[in-house]
Amino acid sequence: DTEVTQTPKHLVMGMTNKKSLKCEQHMGHRAMYWYKQKAKKPPELMFVYSYEKLSINESVPSRFSPECPNSSLLNLHLHALQPEDSALYLCASSQDWTNWYNEQFFGPGTRLTVL
Amino acid sequence: AQSVTQPDIHITVSEGASLELRCNYSYGATPYLFWYVQSPGQGLQLLLKYFSGDTLVQGIKGFEAEFKRSQSSFNLRKPSVHWSDAAEYFCAPNFGNEKLTFGTGTRLTIIP
Repeated sequence: DTEVTQTPKHLVMGMTNKKSLKCEQHMGHRAMYWYKQKAKKPPELMFVYSYEKLSINESVPSRFSPECPNSSLLNLHLHALQPEDSALYLCASSQDWTNWYNEQFFGPGTRLTVL
Repeated sequence: AQSVTQPDIHITVSEGASLELRCNYSYGATPYLFWYVQSPGQGLQLLLKYFSGDTLVQGIKGFEAEFKRSQSSFNLRKPSVHWSDAAEYFCAPNFGNEKLTFGTGTRLTIIP
């Protein structure tokens, strides 16, 4: 199974809502990533988890809160978002974050709209 | 400074024609080099990668890429494109800082 799944596919939320994005992989990968992708732009790295510990936070605003409950799951908790946070949120995983030759496997993304 | 450039924002080719997408980087050594493809509304899929060895790399879906150290380039090629190749293509080096650096992407349109 070389699949990364993400739920939901689409999410519409108001600026006062709290919601969560979920990502799951069963490839035994120990590194998991969150990216944000605006329309017609490349993905921008937000967070990296390695062995369930946060390794990289790319100065992401605190209204985005990642969580890695176990090696297969990655969540992104959203609170008090702004309309400019509307984007495609991509999850990815790789065998090992420190081996830079490892391929990252991407999920299909969650299309987030903030009203 | 480390950087990656995809000079072509949008390329249109006829189905069956050959394709070359350009990627240039700036770095003091050879980075790990990746090409990813993103179909509309989808995640990214790895086409091929290079670190060392044979400079002509074969990937999935009939794609290949050639690493040229003298030109700091890693161009993606396909001899004959299919309508299903219409997508966004990203060159993504890893400059040894544990992160992929994505180029701005090239959008490929296929005309019948």
